[in-house]
Amino acid sequence: NAGVTQTPKFQVLKTGQSMTLQCAQDMNHNSMYWYRQDPGMGLRLIYYSASEGTTDKGEVPNGYNVSRLNKREFSLRLESAAPSQTSVYFCASSDLTGDGSPLHFGNGTRLTVT
Amino acid sequence: GQQVMQIPQYQHVQEGEDFTTYCNSSTTLSNIQWYKQRPGGHPVFLIQLVKSGEVKKQKRLTFQFGEAKKNSSLHITATQTTDVGTYFCYNNTNAGKSTFGDGTTLTVKP
Repeated sequence: NAGVTQTPKFQVLKTGQSMTLQCAQDMNHNSMYWYRQDPGMGLRLIYYSASEGTTDKGEVPNGYNVSRLNKREFSLRLESAAPSQTSVYFCASSDLTGDGSPLHFGNGTRLTVT
Repeated sequence: GQQVMQIPQYQHVQEGEDFTTYCNSSTTLSNIQWYKQRPGGHPVFLIQLVKSGEVKKQKRLTFQFGEAKKNSSLHITATQTTDVGTYFCYNNTNAGKSTFGDGTTLTVKP
């Protein structure tokens, strides 16, 4: 039982390049989330998907797009990377959203944009 | 969103000393969750508190939810080096509006 799997683990991009961060969970969870964490700071929600077929903006959605491909997978796309997007990105899932279900996090993707 | 504020931001203790982090909100919280993130790792769920005045214990960790459900605390008795990391509180109600606290980073000197 792998839990939440994120790929890649590390990535270096040049300004203006695009990339997609992949996330998959095998816990049959309904809700999935993308967070970013900057050094010494907390977790800020980028986008979330309360259930398959729905996505909603979080606190910091600008510069990102998401796709809930199916119940298992939730991807995050950077269309034109900027140095301000250098961060650690975490995907998370939960049974439901807003009902107090614990969040299960992946190991993170460490992204550097030069 | 529903903001939760955590203090202190950093805490450095000698091994064996106690440690407490506080989470405060200006509004009533339906629940509070606590997570631990080891250096270089990902947040891991520790516990959830739901009831007013609730107290839960996990070995040396004691979690409390205030009577007014506007604050919570995590207390570690006799810290060990394995306790190092950042502790976050989180109010899980509406995903689009819920926020993590900024966390308290604990370092322990052996």
